[in-house]
Amino acid sequence: NAGVTQTPKFQVLKTGQSMTLQCAQDMNHEYMSWYRQDPGMGLRLIHYSVGAGITDQGEVPNGYNVSRSTTEDFPLRLLSAAPSQTSVYFCASSYSRAYGYTFGSGTRLTVV
Amino acid sequence: GQQVMQIPQYQHVQEGEDFTTYCNSSTTLSNIQWYKQRPGGHPVFLIQLVKSGEVKKQKRLTFQFGEAKKNSSLHITATQTTDVGTYFCATDSWGKLQFGAGTQVVVTP
Repeated sequence: NAGVTQTPKFQVLKTGQSMTLQCAQDMNHEYMSWYRQDPGMGLRLIHYSVGAGITDQGEVPNGYNVSRSTTEDFPLRLLSAAPSQTSVYFCASSYSRAYGYTFGSGTRLTVV
Repeated sequence: GQQVMQIPQYQHVQEGEDFTTYCNSSTTLSNIQWYKQRPGGHPVFLIQLVKSGEVKKQKRLTFQFGEAKKNSSLHITATQTTDVGTYFCATDSWGKLQFGAGTQVVVTP
């Protein structure tokens, strides 16, 4: 099993550009989430999903879109990148509420 | 939503010493999870507690869930340099996993 795979690992965007951060898991996990991590801010939840076709907003959803068309994939779209979105982004998945989450290795995004 | 507060934010420990990090909530939690993140790495799940007063041990790590299910603690005995990293508590509300700010641990040999 590959676990949770995030691509790309690094990305530099110009202000106003759009892009999609990819997240895929091969563990048949129902729960998937996206987080951003900024220095001194811990991990903040952007969007999450409890199954294919179901998504919901987390603490900081503005400027991001998600969809969950399959169990395996949970892409995060930045609609119009802003410098405030410079951060490290983590995707995570879990089998269910009774289990812990497995995290991907992260995407380091810089918006200039 | 549920919020968990962690203290201390920063812990400087001499190798061989013990330390404890705490996680507190103003509301009753259905569960508490603990994660460790090494510098430059991603969070790694350590354990989940769900029962009032529950205590679980993993080698030198002891995790406790309070009787009122509003607080939790992680105690590390005989700290080693491999314990360096940030320890996060988190609570999962039906797929909505929310984290505390973390305790950054620095170990001096």
